[in-house]
Amino acid sequence: ILNVEQSPQSLHVQEGDSTNFTCSFPSSNFYALHWYRWETAKSPEALFVMTLNGDEKKKGRISATLNTKEGYSYLYIKGSQPEDSATYLCAWVGINKFYFGSGTKLNVKP
Amino acid sequence: GAVVSQHPSRVICKSGTSVKIECRSLDFQATTMFWYRQFPKKSLMLMATSNEGSKATYEQGVEKDKFLINHASLTLSTLTVTSAHPEDSSFYICSARGTTSVNEQFFGPGTRLTVL
Repeated sequence: ILNVEQSPQSLHVQEGDSTNFTCSFPSSNFYALHWYRWETAKSPEALFVMTLNGDEKKKGRISATLNTKEGYSYLYIKGSQPEDSATYLCAWVGINKFYFGSGTKLNVKP
Repeated sequence: GAVVSQHPSRVICKSGTSVKIECRSLDFQATTMFWYRQFPKKSLMLMATSNEGSKATYEQGVEKDKFLINHASLTLSTLTVTSAHPEDSSFYICSARGTTSVNEQFFGPGTRLTVL
């Protein structure tokens, strides 16, 4: 069984705080790592697809880094806003399969 | 673009009945669709992969006679939970992959199934 772990499980921050969370995954046979943002009652929305060790990607206030040698990726949110409240999922991509972490649920208080 | 719908969003049924969940790609052709199940506070677990026009490939431990998957067209896949029991109560979500990017999956919003 392939283990993809995310921490923390949940996070409560104040509006304006910056925050980050972690996705850990097997470092062998790495193909790609995906980050998704998932709001309640909506479809998970793709944020980033990361493939190369050392990759850094940015979308507005959200950015992500990737370390395939040690098997982790960080997602950063700068200056959190209430609309950032969602569950953030990572998925390790194998041959034709995605292996998901259980997500980090972020709650940003106004 | 790349919108996937799923219907129904929520269903409650009696034990012993069958429930069909539809997954549609609205603006692209989905050669492959995936069905996942999620238990509370757990990861999305892949149940099966279906390719249009062929039989689904089920993950180990998933009963194919219990969870019938049909992918008859490039825009529609269905999951039928047959003779549902309370332990089948869960969140089911589909995703679809098109022909232009094999590295991406586009998700539906999911279906909450409650079996009484």
